[in-house]
Amino acid sequence: SSELTQPPSVSVSPRQTARITCSGDVLPKQYAYWYQRKPGQAPVLVMSKDSERPPGIPERFSGSSSGTTVTLTIRGVQPEDEADYHCQSTDSSGSYVVFGGGTKLTVL
Amino acid sequence: QVHLQESGPGLVTPSETLSLTCTVSGGSIRGYHWTWIRQPAGKGLEWIGRIYTSGNTNYNPSLKGRVTMAVDTSKNQFYLKLNSVTAADAAIYFCARDPGGSSQYYFDHWGRGTLVTVSS
Repeated sequence: SSELTQPPSVSVSPRQTARITCSGDVLPKQYAYWYQRKPGQAPVLVMSKDSERPPGIPERFSGSSSGTTVTLTIRGVQPEDEADYHCQSTDSSGSYVVFGGGTKLTVL
Repeated sequence: QVHLQESGPGLVTPSETLSLTCTVSGGSIRGYHWTWIRQPAGKGLEWIGRIYTSGNTNYNPSLKGRVTMAVDTSKNQFYLKLNSVTAADAAIYFCARDPGGSSQYYFDHWGRGTLVTVSS
């Protein structure tokens, strides 16, 4: 299966650590990417190839992979990090794109 | 900085064809894959497909047969047509740049999205 599963929501207090997971059978074989989407704004690529942070993304964002699960970690969460986060990968044959259902991060 | 802007009708009649344009500015359209992605209300993102500047396309198998993409490098634009639309096609439609290779897909620049409603 090429499906990706994310928790619908994660809540965290400011300056704490948020961990958003994405699970799928394809993840040991294909890279995962993470996007941040705020209402009315263009989505932003915040993590590439499981754990590579694109230029301009704050260092508090990090990524990791273990087996069929990838994790986006945000250390020292800021109020402006409140957004929907979407993981994305590719099917096992590299023919099409799959997304997780998205996780709403709430900063309490 | 590359900028993408979606445009097109915000309202489409059921069974008709949805047509959208994405205009790319701040950089050349050549040498990249260009993608359409949508998000129905309350749901996750769904990849529709992508087109390379040569015209080669990959489409989501679940939409194949209804989707057509095209590119006009002289205008720095690419296009989406989705025919026989139903209420299930109502969504925010995004265009994005895909710098990935033949079997690697990811999206480093996105438009803000355009809302498409399907209603008679």
